[in-house]
Amino acid sequence: NAGVTQTPKFQVLKTGQSMTLQCAQDMNHEYMSWYRQDPGMGLRLIHYSVGAGITDQGEVPNGYNVSRSTTEDFPLRLLSAAPSQTSVYFCASSDAGSAYEQYFGPGTRLTVT
Amino acid sequence: GENVEQHPSTLSVQEGDSAVIKCTYSDSASNYFPWYKQELGKRPQLIIDIRSNVGEKKDQRIAVTLNKTAKHFSLHITETQPEDSAVYFCAASFNDMRFGAGTRLTVKP
Repeated sequence: NAGVTQTPKFQVLKTGQSMTLQCAQDMNHEYMSWYRQDPGMGLRLIHYSVGAGITDQGEVPNGYNVSRSTTEDFPLRLLSAAPSQTSVYFCASSDAGSAYEQYFGPGTRLTVT
Repeated sequence: GENVEQHPSTLSVQEGDSAVIKCTYSDSASNYFPWYKQELGKRPQLIIDIRSNVGEKKDQRIAVTLNKTAKHFSLHITETQPEDSAVYFCAASFNDMRFGAGTRLTVKP
């Protein structure tokens, strides 16, 4: 199993550009989530999904959209990138929900200039 | 939503000493409390977790304690080694998982 994969590994955007961060898992996990990691602020939850077709907001959802059309994929869309969205983004999945071990992807380092 | 506070933000110990990291949470409904270790440039990985119906759990040199009444939980690492140097995150979960800000642990040889 590849586990949780994320693409791209690195990305530089200009302010106002849009892009999609890809996340996929091959463990048949129902629960998937997106976090951003900023120095001194830990991991902050952006959006999560408890299964295909179901998504919900976390603590910092503004500026981001998600959808979950399949169990395997959970893409994160930045609609109009801002410098405040410069961060490392981690996708995670779990086989039984938020109250179980989260398996993290390798992360995407995003810089918005 | 849940709010998790973690202390200290940095911790430096001598090899062989013990290290303790403490977290508090706000939502009494939280029922799962994991600890993750993140090495530089790597993804977070689970090292130990505890559920709300358990007061203490141990795995070799690592232990976690939970006080539900006070809404705090702690990570204890004994006989620290240089390879324990990393950033450690606590988290609390009910409907979603919220993380503390992290503790950078440095173990000096």
